[in-house]
Amino acid sequence: AQTVTQSQPEMSVQEAETVTLSCTYDTSESDYYLFWYKQPPSRQMILVIRQEAYKQQNATENRFSVNFQKAAKSFSLKISDSQLGDAAMYFCAYSYSNTGKLIFGQGTTLQVKP
Amino acid sequence: EAGVVQSPRYKIIEKKQPVAFWCNPISGHNTLYWYLQNLGQGPELLIRYENEEAVDDSQLPKDRFSAERLKGVDSTLKIQPAELGDSAVYLCASSLDHNNEQFFGPGTRLTVL
Repeated sequence: AQTVTQSQPEMSVQEAETVTLSCTYDTSESDYYLFWYKQPPSRQMILVIRQEAYKQQNATENRFSVNFQKAAKSFSLKISDSQLGDAAMYFCAYSYSNTGKLIFGQGTTLQVKP
Repeated sequence: EAGVVQSPRYKIIEKKQPVAFWCNPISGHNTLYWYLQNLGQGPELLIRYENEEAVDDSQLPKDRFSAERLKGVDSTLKIQPAELGDSAVYLCASSLDHNNEQFFGPGTRLTVL
């Protein structure tokens, strides 16, 4: 069965600094997608970044980038130049191709200190 | 463009009472999802619709939960009767199809007393 594990329940970062959130997953599939979602206190889940497993190049979206290590089944999120608006719960998620089913990790609460 | 709309945003009921949640997906999105999110945890898929067909309902507790998506647009999730353990946030999401990005609604927070 596919599982997603986030081992950091809480993280904090100083404004303008860089923080890395960890995620590991377990799957026997070779074709899948990985995601990072952000959920602010208002609860609306927003997609931050997406990575296709067949792509070796790490995905980037402005200040957000991932370190995708397929062999190690690791998928970390790096937030550069952290801003107060980055404070939220971050979820790592996995989706097996052609199912559309997202499997989420337990989440990491990120605090950004001014 | 309007996002995924859910109502009500909050619902408080006594145990054994019925409750229903409504979701209006983004226009043109064929795939609709219902997720259950317990406090401090990640969402878990309850059911996925492709148009009006439920294609994955393996995680839906069918003894008390039911869902429908008439005409392949709006969807309703019902619980009857509600139990204390059903207290959670119920999220609705939609996507163009199951290979595309899912857009989430704000959720309905259910409290069962």
